[in-house]
Amino acid sequence: QVQLQQWGARLLKPSETLSLTCTVSGGSFSGYYWSWIRQPPGKGLEWIGDINYNGNSDYNPSLRTRVNISVDKSKNQFSLNLRSVAAADTAVYYCARGRGYGDFWGQGTLVTVSS
Amino acid sequence: DIQMTQSPSSLSASVGDTVTITCRASQGISSHLSWYQQKPGKAPKFLIYAASSLQSGVPSRFSGTGSGRDYTLTINSLQPDDFATYFCQQGYSPPFTFGQGTKLEIK
Repeated sequence: QVQLQQWGARLLKPSETLSLTCTVSGGSFSGYYWSWIRQPPGKGLEWIGDINYNGNSDYNPSLRTRVNISVDKSKNQFSLNLRSVAAADTAVYYCARGRGYGDFWGQGTLVTVSS
Repeated sequence: DIQMTQSPSSLSASVGDTVTITCRASQGISSHLSWYQQKPGKAPKFLIYAASSLQSGVPSRFSGTGSGRDYTLTINSLQPDDFATYFCQQGYSPPFTFGQGTKLEIK
């Protein structure tokens, strides 16, 4: 069974950089796209971006100037960096497998931005 | 961006009922449409892909239809475990946008 395990800092101050990493186990890492999605408390889902095994990435234009997604093939991991965070970036962040869909998801990480 | 308009935003139903949730895209998405179920504090669960294909392990009381701009999720014979929030997502063109969600509550 494919499993995604994510981790990273949960409390940030405004202007800091959000960093999360997702490790994939139990299935193939190559041949898939890997996505980040977020959900502000009590709100809907927002696609942040995705990346494939070869490092080809795509981002939501609303976040493109601040976001970077990278992949570490040797560790079956992919990572999210979001620069210059503000209170509006407070959300549960999920990693998931797939491009334009998500058939397997991480457990979610609540990241709070507060001074 | 493709806008996904999901309706209703909330729905009350009883165990055993049949319910339908709809998603309308702002442009045609050629059946690149997925449905998810989410319970409080949990990650979304993948139910249906390509508008009508049931993900492995998902009960057959869930079904999806649609084409072009309009898509529906139907849940037959509601079970207690089905009361949750449901989201659609278009996978046709990035950014891959979601509907705003439908909260299905017990009447």
